[in-house]
Amino acid sequence: NAGVMQNPRHLVRRRGQEARLRCSPMKGHSHVYWYRQLPEEGLKFMVYLQKENIIDESGMPKERFSAEFPKEGPSILRIQQVVRGDSAAYFCASSQPPVNTEAFFGQGTRLTVV
Amino acid sequence: KQEVTQIPAALSVPEGENLVLNCSFTDSAIYNLQWFRQDPGKGLTSLLLIQSSQREQTSGRLNASLDKSSGRSTLYIAASQPGDSATYLCAVRLGSSNTGKLIFGQGTTLQVKP
Repeated sequence: NAGVMQNPRHLVRRRGQEARLRCSPMKGHSHVYWYRQLPEEGLKFMVYLQKENIIDESGMPKERFSAEFPKEGPSILRIQQVVRGDSAAYFCASSQPPVNTEAFFGQGTRLTVV
Repeated sequence: KQEVTQIPAALSVPEGENLVLNCSFTDSAIYNLQWFRQDPGKGLTSLLLIQSSQREQTSGRLNASLDKSSGRSTLYIAASQPGDSATYLCAVRLGSSNTGKLIFGQGTTLQVKP
């Protein structure tokens, strides 16, 4: 059973470009979470999704950020018109229902905006 | 607002020592608490999950305790080894939350010297 798979591992974007981060949860997991780790800061919750539904997006910046978890395929975190302040490590986690079970994390995508 | 604090921020010990990492949280109404390990440039590895009704959990040389009423958890590492060098993160799930999101501390960076 493969773990949580994130790709790409490293992503470099110029200011103003779009970044797409992908996350495939562990087999049998229907809950996906995205977290962001800014340099010298702790991990912060961004969004929680189930298949085809955004359940909690209270940690998402109001503009330029969006997330989806379609019926088929990986979850996508999309950042439009990236700025230098978006440079961070983005981690995806997945868990089984019910909602408060153990979360398993991917290796992360390190986004650098130049 | 739930806040999670980890003390110390950094710790350096000689190989073979037993050590304790501390985690405190401001709102005792948690659902569970999870300890993670993060190696530089890597993802998070789940170490132990303690439910709010439990007092401790053990896995190998690791023992985590939970005192919910006082808002504290400790991670005890026995007979430390250089391979234990990493950042250790504590995270809580709110009892009032129906989303399962984790609130993280800033971490304790551990160095075990041979």
